[in-house]
Amino acid sequence: KAGVTQTPRYLIKTRGQQVTLSCSPISGHRSVSWYQQTPGQGLQFLFEYFSETQRNKGNFPGRFSGRQFSNSRSEMNVSTLELGDSALYLCASSSLGTGVNEQYFGPGTRLTVT
Amino acid sequence: QKEVEQNSGPLSVPEGAIASLNCTYSDRVSQSFFWYRQYSGKSPELIMSIYSNGDKEDGRFTAQLNKASQYVSLLIRDSQPSDSATYLCAALTGGGNKLTFGTGTQLKVEL
Repeated sequence: KAGVTQTPRYLIKTRGQQVTLSCSPISGHRSVSWYQQTPGQGLQFLFEYFSETQRNKGNFPGRFSGRQFSNSRSEMNVSTLELGDSALYLCASSSLGTGVNEQYFGPGTRLTVT
Repeated sequence: QKEVEQNSGPLSVPEGAIASLNCTYSDRVSQSFFWYRQYSGKSPELIMSIYSNGDKEDGRFTAQLNKASQYVSLLIRDSQPSDSATYLCAALTGGGNKLTFGTGTQLKVEL
């Protein structure tokens, strides 16, 4: 079974621009979560989507948004980029909707904001 | 107290030894825990999950959960240089699939 895929793998953007990142979950997985990883803050939860609905949201400003499509693929968008948004953005998918389940990460998108 | 805490290390062990990685958690997390391994420049890879008190073994890895003392540990037997990585402890928090991670412990297995 193919793993979680994320595109693009690397991205360089300028302050003030916006960016869209894409994630395709493992086949059959309906939950997609997004995380930001930085050296200073570690891994932080952004939001989770299940059946096209945002089920949970982390403590990030409204510039960070996402959505999920009917085929479970997900996108996240960051508007008005700031230097501090430079990070590794990770997507994780899991098969169950609630309760105990395991999340599998994609390779990540490394975003650099200049 | 942070929801999930780990010693950042580095933890150095000789090849063939047992590496013991620890994680403590607060009352604010649920009782579902996960260990991930992350090599430099790569994404986290799931090693094990543990939900019940006691031990869970998978090959050279054993996860231990002690709810009374609020700690989770990961033991790696017969440590190999390829085990050198950062090990992340995570817990489900606040419902859904939100994972809260510790800061990670860097493990170095020396020849």
